[in-house]
Amino acid sequence: QVQLQESGPGLVKPSQTLSLTCTVSGASIRSGGYYWNWIRQPAGKELEWVGRIFASGHSDYNPSLKSRVTISIDTSRDQFSLKLSSVTAADTAVYYCARGEDRDYHNVGFDYWGQGTPVTVSS
Amino acid sequence: DIQMTQSPSSVSASVGDRVTITCRASQDVNRWLAWYQQKPGTAPKLLIYAASTLQSGVPSRFSGSGSGTDFTLTISSLQPEDFATYFCQQANSFPPYTFGQGTKVEIK
Repeated sequence: QVQLQESGPGLVKPSQTLSLTCTVSGASIRSGGYYWNWIRQPAGKELEWVGRIFASGHSDYNPSLKSRVTISIDTSRDQFSLKLSSVTAADTAVYYCARGEDRDYHNVGFDYWGQGTPVTVSS
Repeated sequence: DIQMTQSPSSVSASVGDRVTITCRASQDVNRWLAWYQQKPGTAPKLLIYAASTLQSGVPSRFSGSGSGTDFTLTISSLQPEDFATYFCQQANSFPPYTFGQGTKVEIK
């Protein structure tokens, strides 16, 4: 059974960098055909896709966040990480990591998710 | 970005009812649409992908249909464990993937 687990600080000060790590177990992060995503959800609001990374290291980001986001991967540890710089209160949300898959060159959903970790941006 | 609009925002229903939720995309997304179920305090669960393909392990009372800009999620006979919020997600135009605002299914 594939499991994902987020970890990182739950409180970040404005203008600082939010850093989270997702640890994958039950499957290798190098498994072909999958990619690894960060998705966030402000309280009571819709989900927002932040970005993704492949085992190769190739990454894609939401254009609305691209200037502030970096996603990296450590295949030796089956982990991938999110860094979001210059945070404001608008970045307060539950952050999820999730596995994605493409078929016919299109995403067919995010099938495994972490439990989510709440992050609050506040001084 | 493609905007996804769900209706209704909430629906009250009883156990055994048939429930239909709609999702409309601001542009054609072909059949590349997924549906998720989310219960309070938990991560979303993938129910359907490619508009109508049931994810492994999901009960057959859930079904999806549609293509282009208009999609529906149907629960044929609502069960107690189905009271939750449901989201759609488009996967045709990337980046970014975008989600609907959610539809809350409540007990009548």
